[in-house]
Amino acid sequence: ETTVTQSPASLSMAVGEKVSISCKTSTDIDDDMNWYQQKSGEAPNLLISEGNTLRPGVPSRVSSSGYGSDFVFTINNVLLGDEGIYYCQQSNNVPLTFGSGTKLEIK
Amino acid sequence: EVQLVESGGGLVQPGRSLKLSCAASGFTFSDYNMAWVRQAPTKDLEWVASISYGGSHTHYGDSVKGRFTISRDNVKSTLYLQMDSLRSEDTATYYCTRHIHNNWYFDFWGPGTMVTVSS
Repeated sequence: ETTVTQSPASLSMAVGEKVSISCKTSTDIDDDMNWYQQKSGEAPNLLISEGNTLRPGVPSRVSSSGYGSDFVFTINNVLLGDEGIYYCQQSNNVPLTFGSGTKLEIK
Repeated sequence: EVQLVESGGGLVQPGRSLKLSCAASGFTFSDYNMAWVRQAPTKDLEWVASISYGGSHTHYGDSVKGRFTISRDNVKSTLYLQMDSLRSEDTATYYCTRHIHNNWYFDFWGPGTMVTVSS
């Protein structure tokens, strides 16, 4: 089983700042990492899929990078509407596994 | 518009069974692999099970293997999760999700249904 270690657990940022979230995997997963945002009271929403591919409708200030076992999710110029919990998920092998989440608060 | 709507959640005693349903619309259900993902009260997300578009192939997470069964009815465009021998640690919100083509990520999620296992 591939363990996904996500950090930090929480962030408090001001509008306009840059957010970076890290996910490290216990095995090599190529670029099979995905990123989700979950707003309060809603289901998670896919933002970035395998190969660092931005999903339709997601703004270009959102991006990700990484290959192998080290991945980073970035939001440039963070806005109030970016508040929520962010999760990474590896899709390279079964069982599919998630990171523990990063709670983003906008000051 | 793609829609996934779960139903069947509720309060159940440990050791009992419950069956969840997910009604799909807005896309050709029989073309997509589907899955269940759950979220504990701690907010941790856990993949539960996946099923191929035709229903012949299934995969399960270790914590539910042998107790839960995923199935589908492509005529009714409905996904199911039969949950037996329920435990307190199965308490969670259960999401019906869709896989894109042969990939193992989740491109669309339903709003979820809450399952509470307690005496």
